[in-house]
Amino acid sequence: AQSVSQHNHHVILSEAASLELGCNYSYGGTVNLFWYVQYPGQHLQLLLKYFSGDPLVKGIKGFEAEFIKSKFSFNLRKPSVQWSDTAEYFCAVSPNNAGNMLTFGGGTRLMVKP
Amino acid sequence: GAGVSQSPSNKVTEKGKDVELRCDPISGHTALYWYRQRLGQGLEFLIYFQGNSAPDKSGLPSDRFSAERTGESVSTLTIQRTQQEDSAVYLCASSQTSGGSSGDTQYFGPGTRLTVL
Repeated sequence: AQSVSQHNHHVILSEAASLELGCNYSYGGTVNLFWYVQYPGQHLQLLLKYFSGDPLVKGIKGFEAEFIKSKFSFNLRKPSVQWSDTAEYFCAVSPNNAGNMLTFGGGTRLMVKP
Repeated sequence: GAGVSQSPSNKVTEKGKDVELRCDPISGHTALYWYRQRLGQGLEFLIYFQGNSAPDKSGLPSDRFSAERTGESVSTLTIQRTQQEDSAVYLCASSQTSGGSSGDTQYFGPGTRLTVL
């Protein structure tokens, strides 16, 4: 069975700081990779996803993530965070076969101070 | 267009009672998923439907949990004889298909917060 680890549980940054959230997964086969975000009081929404092609994926709101197969990693980055990026971020993996069910990491709570 | 909707948004029940949670997926989405998020934890997969069939029920925590889907649309998750450890947010998601190779995006509903006293 696959598993996903998000090493940072809580991150506090000032506006304009750079962000990198770690995500590592364990699974022997081909995977699809996702980052979801949950803003306060809102439901989960997709930030970006990777399933093939260029390992550097760009998502909404200036976020990007890089799939490094050799490291089983899919870290999320943003060069300059804003107060409105305060949210909880979840990395998720699904095996590239039938089913598509997602395995989620434990989430990272990001607080951006104005 | 309308997104995934879930009802009720909040449910408080007494230990031992049965509860039924409802999910209305995005119209035309053939795949439907149920997840659970306990306080301070990530989401755990419970069950998914392709059409009205549930090929994978491996995530259901016990035989007190069951789910069904009718008309390739609405799904209900039923928890019988609720226990305090069932307290969580129950999330539903839908996607166009369940084909893993296409990386179909799952769209999530707002969840039902279940509290078992």
